Amino acid sequence: QVQLQESGPGLVKPSETLSLTCTVSGGSMSSYYWNWIRQSPGKGLEWLGYIYYRGSTKLNPSLKSRVTISIDTSRTQVSLKLTSVTAADTAVYFCAREVASPGSWYFDSWGQGTLVTVSS
Amino acid sequence: QSVLTQPPSASGTPGQRVTISCSGSSSNIGSNTVNWYQQVPGTAPKLLIYSSNQRPSGVPDRFSGSKSGTSASLAISGLQSEDEADYYCASWDDSLNGRIFGGGTKVTVL
Repeated sequence: QVQLQESGPGLVKPSETLSLTCTVSGGSMSSYYWNWIRQSPGKGLEWLGYIYYRGSTKLNPSLKSRVTISIDTSRTQVSLKLTSVTAADTAVYFCAREVASPGSWYFDSWGQGTLVTVSS
Repeated sequence: QSVLTQPPSASGTPGQRVTISCSGSSSNIGSNTVNWYQQVPGTAPKLLIYSSNQRPSGVPDRFSGSKSGTSASLAISGLQSEDEADYYCASWDDSLNGRIFGGGTKVTVL
């Protein structure tokens, strides 16, 4: 059973860069898309973007200028960087594995999520 | 404001059937599949339905999904106390060129 674990600083100062890592264990990264999704306190889910195991990415257009997603298959890790953060970026950040085939896609495994607070 | 519109809340008594709607447009639900996720507060979402009406193994057949035109629905039959959670629909939007979620529906078991 694949497991995903997010890690990174729980507190980031305004205007700085948020950096998180998702470590994948118990399964291969091959043939999957790896996503970052966040949830502001008391709010709904927001998709940030994904990276295919081969390295191609698709990012949320509303955040594209600030988001970078990278992958290190040798270390089975996916990373997220979000620049110039503000209080509006305070959220629980999830990584999720996506299964995709023609006409079908879904997130079948999720990490437990990590809370990142943006505050000085 | 979410591109996919869900009612903020729904409720029912144990054993009842509850239906949650997810309304979209031709650029998302109208031309793409819909997935449904269940989230118990404080935990990660869990996949309930994919490809609009397919249940992953392990999900009880009390949960069913359907899609018609630019709307989708999740039905919970034989409502149980453990079904109390938030439910989110998700799809792809061709105009936004990205994955999108509904605003979520909180289901309460009375």
